[in-house]
Amino acid sequence: KAGVTQTPRYLIKTRGQQVTLSCSPISGHRSVSWYQQTPGQGLQFLFEYFSETQRNKGNFPGRFSGRQFSNSRSEMNVSTLELGDSALYLCASSLSETGELFFGEGSRLTVL
Amino acid sequence: QQPVQSPQAVILREGEDAVINCSSSKALYSVHWYRQKHGEAPVFLMILLKGGEQKGHEKISASFNEKKQQSSLYLTASQLSYSGTYFCGTENAGGTSYGKLTFGQGTILTVHP
Repeated sequence: KAGVTQTPRYLIKTRGQQVTLSCSPISGHRSVSWYQQTPGQGLQFLFEYFSETQRNKGNFPGRFSGRQFSNSRSEMNVSTLELGDSALYLCASSLSETGELFFGEGSRLTVL
Repeated sequence: QQPVQSPQAVILREGEDAVINCSSSKALYSVHWYRQKHGEAPVFLMILLKGGEQKGHEKISASFNEKKQQSSLYLTASQLSYSGTYFCGTENAGGTSYGKLTFGQGTILTVHP
């Protein structure tokens, strides 16, 4: 059974640009969550999608957005990148609402 | 507000035991435990739901004290493979969190031969 796949794994952008990250959940998982991981702030929740609907959102500015497609694949977008957006962005899928999260290996974003 | 984990770091010899604590100021519905090795994704260890149950598999177990909003992860007879950063993630009581876990800052566990 394939795990959660995130692309790209690494990327470098400059301030002001935008970026789109992709996540393919485990087959059959309809819930997809996104987390930002940094050394200073740790793991922070961005948002969660289920059946193409955002059900929950963390405390991030509107520059951070996401969506989910009918096949449960999800994308997140960060516009007008800032230096502080440099982080590992982790996607996790889940079979149930309170079930275990299966994390992908993440997309490491560096903003110069 | 994120849960507080203690200790921040622990160093063990193979075969020794360790306890990692996770404490929240909010009423909790569940506590998740994950382990993350350097450069890898966090890996699920276990979930404890409201009710004070204790769970475990092999030599890793955990408890959840609902009254104190605390959870503890017990690692017995540690192995080299236990090294990594351990995170607790909490779901608040009172509604479905829909995938939102609030994670502690992590506990770095190092096991030496």
